[in-house]
Amino acid sequence: SAVISQKPSRDICQRGTSLTIQCQVDSQVTMMFWYRQQPGQSLTLIATANQGSEATYESGFVIDKFPISRPNLTFSTLTVSNMSPEDSSIYLCSVVGGNTIYFGEGSWLTVV
Amino acid sequence: AQSVTQPDIHITVSEGASLELRCNYSYGATPYLFWYVQSPGQGLQLLLKYFSGDTLVQGIKGFEAEFKRSQSSFNLRKPSVHWSDAAEYFCAVGGGATNKLIFGTGTLLAVQP
Repeated sequence: SAVISQKPSRDICQRGTSLTIQCQVDSQVTMMFWYRQQPGQSLTLIATANQGSEATYESGFVIDKFPISRPNLTFSTLTVSNMSPEDSSIYLCSVVGGNTIYFGEGSWLTVV
Repeated sequence: AQSVTQPDIHITVSEGASLELRCNYSYGATPYLFWYVQSPGQGLQLLLKYFSGDTLVQGIKGFEAEFKRSQSSFNLRKPSVHWSDAAEYFCAVGGGATNKLIFGTGTLLAVQP
């Protein structure tokens, strides 16, 4: 199994600012994913982050808005840039461990 | 197009009653299927998964799910619901080398005493 820690767990952010979310895994993993869950909605994949390469973004998500770093096999960051109230969401980090896909507890962001 | 449909947005059952949550999927390749649960204020917890083999899979907390290829379904069941099962349940499908998941819209389960 994989244990995933995310920071911050919750935050209230001012409109126009940026926030970086950290994801730490207790084992080395090749593939890491970032998902967004808007209030009352399901999860949507933002991007796939593999170590040593640029993140791959899904349709509707761009690097300027959601820059991602993946410096090693146990860590990744997602930045939500120039935030607006529409960015108020839960952001979840996910990894593949063995034949299972694990999720972190999520980072709950509220933009005011 | 790849998609997951959870037709029931909200279900209420009495404690001790049986439960079935529906999930239908559309996926071009052999699907990997998952059920996750999200309790209020919590992240996602994996209940069970299906990759291959026996089409009836057992998960944690007494849940099971049956993969029916002919119906493109992966319904979640529990014979006797407990009050602590009140949560939102998400069905997801993925597969191949990408390991990306497509989620359904979720079913919110309420449990009456």
